[in-house]
Amino acid sequence: AQSVTQPDIHITVSEGASLELRCNYSYGATPYLFWYVQSPGQGLQLLLKYFSGDTLVQGIKGFEAEFKRSQSSFNLRKPSVHWSDAAEYFCAVIGGTSYGKLTFGQGTILTVHP
Amino acid sequence: NAGVTQTPKFRVLKTGQSMTLLCAQDMNHEYMYWYRQDPGMGLRLIHYSVGEGTTAKGEVPDGYNVSRLKKQNFLLGLESAAPSQTSVYFCASTRTVENTEAFFGQGTRLTVV
Repeated sequence: AQSVTQPDIHITVSEGASLELRCNYSYGATPYLFWYVQSPGQGLQLLLKYFSGDTLVQGIKGFEAEFKRSQSSFNLRKPSVHWSDAAEYFCAVIGGTSYGKLTFGQGTILTVHP
Repeated sequence: NAGVTQTPKFRVLKTGQSMTLLCAQDMNHEYMYWYRQDPGMGLRLIHYSVGEGTTAKGEVPDGYNVSRLKKQNFLLGLESAAPSQTSVYFCASTRTVENTEAFFGQGTRLTVV
């Protein structure tokens, strides 16, 4: 069975600083990988996804993520954080033909200081 | 285009009461899911359905039942609510396994006292 680990429970950055959120997964083959964002009291919005091909994927709101098979990682990055990026971020994986069932990491809460 | 709609958005139950959460999607998606979200644990799959009339257990199915009588609706039932079921519940849907982007509802915040 697949699993996802987000090592950082809470990250604080200053507005304008760069951001990297870590995600490690466990799965025997190449999984489908996702990053979702959740604003307080809201549902989940898809930021980006990786299915195959180019290992650097671009998403919405200026986010990108890089799939590194050798490190079993799919870290999320943004070069310059805006105050509106404060939210909780979830990395998720679908392993093979599992009927689209998502396995989520524990989430990382991002706080942005002005 | 409403996407995925959950009702109700908030509910308070007493221990032992029952209730049903409704999820409706208007995207003609085959697969539907119920997740629960608890602090520090991410989202965990309760039950899912791969088509009308089918249901299957997820990671944390105990204490819940589901039904998918119509393709667009997926119901989650709590027969006898317990405080451990206090959580935020999310419904999601996807088209097929080849198109695995999931669309989520806004969530239902349930408190069992």
